[in-house]
Amino acid sequence: RKEVEQDPGPFNVPEGATVAFNCTYSNSASQSFFWYRQDCRKEPKLLMSVYSSGNEDGRFTAQLNRASQYISLLIRDSKLSDSATYLCALHRGGSQGNLIFGKGTKLSVKP
Amino acid sequence: DAGITQSPRHKVTETGTPVTLRCHQTENHRYMYWYRQDPGHGLRLIHYSYGVKDTDKGEVSDGYSVSRSKTEDFLLTLESATSSQTSVYFCAISVAGDSQPQHFGDGTRLSIL
Repeated sequence: RKEVEQDPGPFNVPEGATVAFNCTYSNSASQSFFWYRQDCRKEPKLLMSVYSSGNEDGRFTAQLNRASQYISLLIRDSKLSDSATYLCALHRGGSQGNLIFGKGTKLSVKP
Repeated sequence: DAGITQSPRHKVTETGTPVTLRCHQTENHRYMYWYRQDPGHGLRLIHYSYGVKDTDKGEVSDGYSVSRSKTEDFLLTLESATSSQTSVYFCAISVAGDSQPQHFGDGTRLSIL
């Protein structure tokens, strides 16, 4: 299994739809997980951290499944403005303490 | 806003020339990173720094060097640019520590002809 893997999409959904992305990882020692949003030709921006108990921020819900080694991002009531690429990131664990990023999942919300 | 400024924002240069990209931060953060982002590869770590004169290699460090002589500046140098180094380069900082989320600068679009 690759260190981190995301379905590249694109996910094309109508406004108001609920959409979910997964990100699988191989290193069971990873302790910190994040979702980023990246708009076209812009820098990645932190969307939310992912906690073991799951966390919610408005229409966005992030969950961690350690047993199956994946994190998920759920977007409810999709807006046109949610169209972007969503990157997962996780701490490598061990002594090399830096983040590894997934290649991103592209979301396109249509009217 | 993490107070990160990258310069230049865009650059076009020729193969074989030296190129230096600058990342400047205003908030005295200890941890700084340089990434490149390419289609099909995502974000890949080039070099990172844990403090002044304390740097280490990332996964794609060949052909790149870095320096950090002041907390606020992290420089990325391509000693002799090649076309394979055409990319978008992002600098990032970590506010709270190495395993914590990173915040990115606006990026530098570098084209090497």
